[in-house]
Amino acid sequence: QKEVEQNSGPLSVPEGAIASLNCTYSDRVSQSFFWYRQYSGKSPELIMSIYSNGDKEDGRFTAQLNKASQYVSLLIRDSQPSDSATYLCAVYNNDMRFGAGTRLTVKP
Amino acid sequence: ETGVTQTPRHLVMGMTNKKSLKCEQHLGHNAMYWYKQSAKKPLELMFVYNFKEQTENNSVPSRFSPECPNSSHLFLHLHTLQPEDSALYLCASSLTRQGSYNEQFFGPGTRLTVL
Repeated sequence: QKEVEQNSGPLSVPEGAIASLNCTYSDRVSQSFFWYRQYSGKSPELIMSIYSNGDKEDGRFTAQLNKASQYVSLLIRDSQPSDSATYLCAVYNNDMRFGAGTRLTVKP
Repeated sequence: ETGVTQTPRHLVMGMTNKKSLKCEQHLGHNAMYWYKQSAKKPLELMFVYNFKEQTENNSVPSRFSPECPNSSHLFLHLHTLQPEDSALYLCASSLTRQGSYNEQFFGPGTRLTVL
């Protein structure tokens, strides 16, 4: 079983729609959770961090964490073509573990 | 810009060459990391330094040798690499290694090609 699992996609949504990205993790005692955005040919950029159960909102982004279900998600509202990228889920417990990423395409 | 710089941005080397990758962070962080990113695979943690002390070496072959002279600089020395070592090498830093202070910020990476 992969430590951090994401659907590789591609996930395609129309401009203005809500994009929903999901991530599950295997280590129950994981402490911190992060979402990174990576444009093609670029390095990962931190966009959200979440540490406790529930929702955390930042602009058009909402991270959701459910530790009981070992599940973390990222919602992108009013998706824009500039949101097209690979989104990496990262989970921290002593060390950071990354998922392989979900490729998102937002079509105009 | 994240405050983490890496040089060179691109590197092509033969299997018998010796080269070094450099990373510098201007964020006042105390932990620095080397990651390898290959196509279609998750980021692989290679080395971790916390307050200049190496705290992690994830079974990385000895042809990769890290060096951390101070909290702001990190090097990765390369020698007798293999073609399968071709990848994007990413440096990251965080305030410390621990929990909520582990938000990691990445440099732009070095695209390495081994011929």
